[in-house]
Amino acid sequence: AQRVTQPEKLLSVFKGAPVELKCNYSYSGSPELFWYVQYSRQRLQLLLRHISRESIKGFTADLNKGETSFHLKKPFAQEEDSAMYYCALKVASGGYQKVTFGIGTKLQVIP
Amino acid sequence: GAVVSQHPSRVICKSGTSVKIECRSLDFQATTMFWYRQFPKQSLMLMATSNEGSKATYEQGVEKDKFLINHASLTLSTLTVTSAHPEDSSFYICSARDRNSGGGFIYEQFFGPGTRLTVL
Repeated sequence: AQRVTQPEKLLSVFKGAPVELKCNYSYSGSPELFWYVQYSRQRLQLLLRHISRESIKGFTADLNKGETSFHLKKPFAQEEDSAMYYCALKVASGGYQKVTFGIGTKLQVIP
Repeated sequence: GAVVSQHPSRVICKSGTSVKIECRSLDFQATTMFWYRQFPKQSLMLMATSNEGSKATYEQGVEKDKFLINHASLTLSTLTVTSAHPEDSSFYICSARDRNSGGGFIYEQFFGPGTRLTVL
């Protein structure tokens, strides 16, 4: 069965410091991975997906199949980055698609 | 952008009663909607996948007779918690996939704001 692990429930960094939110997954097939973000009192929304190899709001994430990781990184944290971040893995199972979420990491950027 | 609404946002009910939660896609058509449950300090757990015009697909361990899902139209799916008990108290979140979002590698769920259910 697929699993997504986010080892840190809370990550506190100072403004301007680099950020790395860790995500590891277990899945025997070819994974599709995503990062979702939830700002305070807002709904969950897609931040980025590995297939697009995009940079959103300064965040990037590289899929490392050897290490089964999909860590989210940003070189310089900003206060508005404070939010809950969820790593998610999409699989196709029994003819339908399913997304498994990690437990989430709360990023706190200290001014 | 794509907006998904849920109603109600918060509901308190007595044990043994049934509660219906609505999930609507406001500006797009959703052939597929997903229902999640989130307990405090835990991740979103997929309960079921709802497909318009067909039966929902439930995840292992989710009782289909307790959590009734109806996806009657391309913009509405409902989750009914039947004979609710205190252990059903949770945050229920739906998401919807735009039928025109494309297949293959393009996959985006738009999430509703969630419904807080408290069963006394």
